[in-house]
Amino acid sequence: GAVVSQHPSRVICKSGTSVKIECRSLDFQATTMFWYRQFPKQSLMLMATSNEGSKATYEQGVEKDKFLINHASLTLSTLTVTSAHPEDSSFYICSVGARRGSTDTQYFGPGTRLTVL
Amino acid sequence: AQSVTQLGSHVSVSEGALVLLRCNYSSSVPPYLFWYVQYPNQGLQLLLKYTSAATLVKGINGFEAEFKKSETSFHLTKPSAHMSDAAEYFCAVSDRAGNMLTFGGGTRLMVKP
Repeated sequence: GAVVSQHPSRVICKSGTSVKIECRSLDFQATTMFWYRQFPKQSLMLMATSNEGSKATYEQGVEKDKFLINHASLTLSTLTVTSAHPEDSSFYICSVGARRGSTDTQYFGPGTRLTVL
Repeated sequence: AQSVTQLGSHVSVSEGALVLLRCNYSSSVPPYLFWYVQYPNQGLQLLLKYTSAATLVKGINGFEAEFKKSETSFHLTKPSAHMSDAAEYFCAVSDRAGNMLTFGGGTRLMVKP
């Protein structure tokens, strides 16, 4: 299957700092990547769709100025949590759509656990 | 609009017993359906997917799921549970494979020795 990596896997930061999370597609070029957020013991919630070379599409209720997404190349999308606060502590997961035969499937990265003190 | 409901946030079975994780969906268009597994502190791994071919879908690790349009269900089963199956399982739906996924709330499977 498609290989998707995320870096870092875990980050702890002080309140007010900004944190950048990278999502890389290692097997193929991805024009679209997705960013999800998962709170403890909860399901995944789509935050935004990252489009290569254009602005990301944010889901309702997600602050685009708070969660900056840059998809500068076909293999890399970054999510920057700006001025992080404790309530931003969460598990952030990216995914990449891959076509296998006639269908597409999303493949997920291992996730990044962000803890804001 | 699409939605997914997973009945039972926690399911406990004995090792060797049948595993049944329930998933019901709502979709205004023919759906594509997925089951993902998540181990602690890890990302999601695709178990299996239904994309309008055979209604009985076989996945990895001995899991399978059956798409029942009349019941709007896509329940996940495994004949015999193994300790290594203990994890969180998510059912998801999309209106076009590779597009945005809508997830259910997840079901934590616990396997007792």
